[in-house]
Parts: sequence; C-alpha cells; structure tokens
Amino acid sequence: ETGVTQTPRHLVMGMTNKKSLKCEQHLGHNAMYWYKQSAKKPLELMFVYNFKEQTENNSVPSRFSPECPNSSHLFLHLHTLQPEDSALYLCASSQDLRRYEQYFGPGTRLTVT
Amino acid sequence: QQQVKQSPQSLIVQKGGISIINCAYENTAFDYFPWYQQFPGKGPALLIAIRPDVSEKKEGRFTISFNKSAKQFSLHIMDSQPGDSATYFCAASLNSGYSTLTFGKGTMLLVSP
Repeated sequence: ETGVTQTPRHLVMGMTNKKSLKCEQHLGHNAMYWYKQSAKKPLELMFVYNFKEQTENNSVPSRFSPECPNSSHLFLHLHTLQPEDSALYLCASSQDLRRYEQYFGPGTRLTVT
Repeated sequence: QQQVKQSPQSLIVQKGGISIINCAYENTAFDYFPWYQQFPGKGPALLIAIRPDVSEKKEGRFTISFNKSAKQFSLHIMDSQPGDSATYFCAASLNSGYSTLTFGKGTMLLVSP
C-alpha cells in the first residue's frame, strides 16, 4: 500500500448505528487531517492531528469523535448521525503542520439513512 | 463566510483549447495558493502551487497566474485533453503555524473530444 488509504470506501448506516472510519498513511508524515466534502460546498476541515495530538477541532458536533493512536493511523468514530452528515469523508496527511502539501486518501462515501 | 471564491462552477472546453479557472480571496495573510485536481472516486491531488512572491508558475501544460493587488489567482490548462476532465479546487493557506487549507467550491471541467 502506498500513499493514504481509507476504509471502508462506502458506508451506509442508520441514525442509531455506531461505525468507524479508518485512515492510514504510508508516507512517514506526522500530521493528519479529516475533511468533509459535500456536494457544491468547499471542503470542510474537521480535525487536525500533529504527532498524535489534536491541534484543531473545527466546531465539529460531538457525534463525530476522532482518534489518532499513532502518526500513521487516524480514525473517525461515528454515532447518532443525521442524514445531513451524508458526505465524502476525506483523510489527508502532511509532513508536519508547517508543510503545506497535503496528500489525500480516496475518501469514504457515507450515507446516513 | 467563504474566504476563497472560485468560478466558474462548471466548464466545458474542446480538446486542444485553453481551460481557465479563477479564484479570489479576501484574507491578505494567505501566503500559499495550491490547486488540487480530483477525479471521480479519488481524493484531491496536488496539481500545482504558488506563493505570492511570484506572479506566474508553469508546470507542463498547467500555469498559475497570481495577481496580488487584485487578490486573485487563476489556473490555465493549455492544450486541454479529455484526460484533464476532473474537478479542480483552488485553496489558500495562512502562515499561522498550521498547514490548514481554505478551499474554493470547485470547478467541474469537461474536455470534449
């Protein structure tokens, strides 16, 4: 595996379910990000981690809970989601917070029913 | 408040033509302006980027033109090819210690054969 991988690629869940999205980067980077991509809207930054420490929470509802056990892995735990949370969730990484080049994974297409 | 405005929303160009996508920003503290290319089912990929100390940057068929006084920058794709059909996002980043990117809404480019 190379670059940034995300699993699952597609997820359908009910509003009462609990699920997790996984991201893994194979680039030796130290910073990782979660973005939400909705149709006809700019990419929205959700969370930023640097060396496993959360450095930014962009006013994201508590039904989204991130976890970063090490610099290579990032999770997004989901519970009690709403239909408007349906979107493409993208993970990205960068060498560190001062390097602007971010590398994105393919995303998880989430549908909340 | 959208800090990076991108236009047009969609664009159709004939093969061999020039594709032009424009972005305008508001925050004069932005100091890094990348363009990302996203194909269906893939995450965004960094295409080309510019800093405000230069007015133009060219990489192959892709050129960024930057107008600091007007707070505008644009992507030009010369000799557009059907394989260039994708969604293009401009972005801007603050030199605040974080590599956080503010994205435009995207332009869907279709290059007709």
